Amino acid sequence: GDSVTQMEGPVTLSEEAFLTINCTYTATGYPSLFWYVQYPGEGLQLLLKATKADDKGSNKGFEATYRKETTSFHLEKGSVQVSDSAVYFCALSDPGGYNKLIFGAGTRLAVHP
Amino acid sequence: DAGVIQSPRHEVTEMGQEVTLRCKPISGHDYLFWYRQTMMRGLELLIYFNNNVPIDDSGMPEDRFSAKMPNASFSTLKIQPSEPRDSAVYFCASKTIAERAFFGQGTRLTVV
Repeated sequence: GDSVTQMEGPVTLSEEAFLTINCTYTATGYPSLFWYVQYPGEGLQLLLKATKADDKGSNKGFEATYRKETTSFHLEKGSVQVSDSAVYFCALSDPGGYNKLIFGAGTRLAVHP
Repeated sequence: DAGVIQSPRHEVTEMGQEVTLRCKPISGHDYLFWYRQTMMRGLELLIYFNNNVPIDDSGMPEDRFSAKMPNASFSTLKIQPSEPRDSAVYFCASKTIAERAFFGQGTRLTVV
């Protein structure tokens, strides 16, 4: 079945460091891919998305490129801030699977000054 | 639109009691999802609906869990009887076919 695998956390970085959170997926069709962010005590919010191969999603300095050949959608940011501390979830929505929205386990990011 | 609205925000109940969680999706959204979030298992999809019809309930952990969507603007997730291991944050989300999912703020359930 459809699934999303992302790197385990926590990821601990100093402010202004480079961030990569790996995400790979398995899907039967041609899914849309998403990164969601969850701040403490809140629900999930969409960070960025990509709907087809080679698309790049970007928002707030974060980027991720839909790589069909490696079935990956890694999240990157060139210079993290303390305010980026949160849990990040990679997800897919597979139209072949009736738009089932499947999430990875989440990766906690802690950024220190 | 006020977004996805869940109630209650917090629920504390005794083991064996019935618990009902409620969700009002965004108007016009035809997909509704129920998720459970725990430290051990992360974010698990329990069940989702399309046009008020349950499409996949394979994530519902046991027969103690049931979900309904009587109309396009309301869904419930019921646990009867509740157990301490059901303690978690339960999220409801809604979306249209081509758009992102919008999440409610969640219901934190504690079963003592």
